[in-house]
Amino acid sequence: GAGVSQSPSNKVTEKGKDVELRCDPISGHTALYWYRQSLGQGLEFLIYFQGNSAPDKSGLPSDRFSAERTGGSVSTLTIQRTQQEDSAVYLCASSSSRVGLAAGDTQYFGPGTRLTVL
Amino acid sequence: DAKTTQPNSMESNEEEPVHLPCNHSTISGTDYIHWYRQLPSQGPEYVIHGLTSNVNNRMASLAIAEDRKSSTLILHRATLRDAAVYYCILRASGGSYIPTFGRGTSLIVHP
Repeated sequence: GAGVSQSPSNKVTEKGKDVELRCDPISGHTALYWYRQSLGQGLEFLIYFQGNSAPDKSGLPSDRFSAERTGGSVSTLTIQRTQQEDSAVYLCASSSSRVGLAAGDTQYFGPGTRLTVL
Repeated sequence: DAKTTQPNSMESNEEEPVHLPCNHSTISGTDYIHWYRQLPSQGPEYVIHGLTSNVNNRMASLAIAEDRKSSTLILHRATLRDAAVYYCILRASGGSYIPTFGRGTSLIVHP
């Protein structure tokens, strides 16, 4: 079946511009995660959505970052007034986790969006 | 999620077995051990997970120490396609659902 898809695959923008990154999770997956990965680094958690619950935004690095998930499916990560330090690969993952079952579930990752801020 | 410790890098020759270690001395009784790998220019992909018993699947085997303070991912015959960064993470049952990915182990496979 279809996996997690992300668009665009690459985005080059100028400092100060806003960007929107899109994630299409696997159909039926209730949990959706956004991470970013700087060159040579591990994954940095940004935000987590679970069903209709309020998202966990504890990983967002500043108020320039925001995300929404419409209809429990597609998610958009928005970065306002981009800075050069925002350059990274932004990864989205989904899982079918339910409360109480999260420990054993697995995440399925998209290919990522490579963001370059000039 | 509790912390894990992995070597920064390991090397192997093609067709040889690879044992990737992970220490998780602060693991709790309900933490699952998960392994993911990230091929170059791709998102991470699930490899295997377990709780107490050793686990086998088509990709790899997971050997879990009796005290659960460490585990080893075993690739039985490394191929060039196995060159990737391997992440060992813990998932806490009933706690945070956000796994913490460290820097992982970069596996280099020599032909």
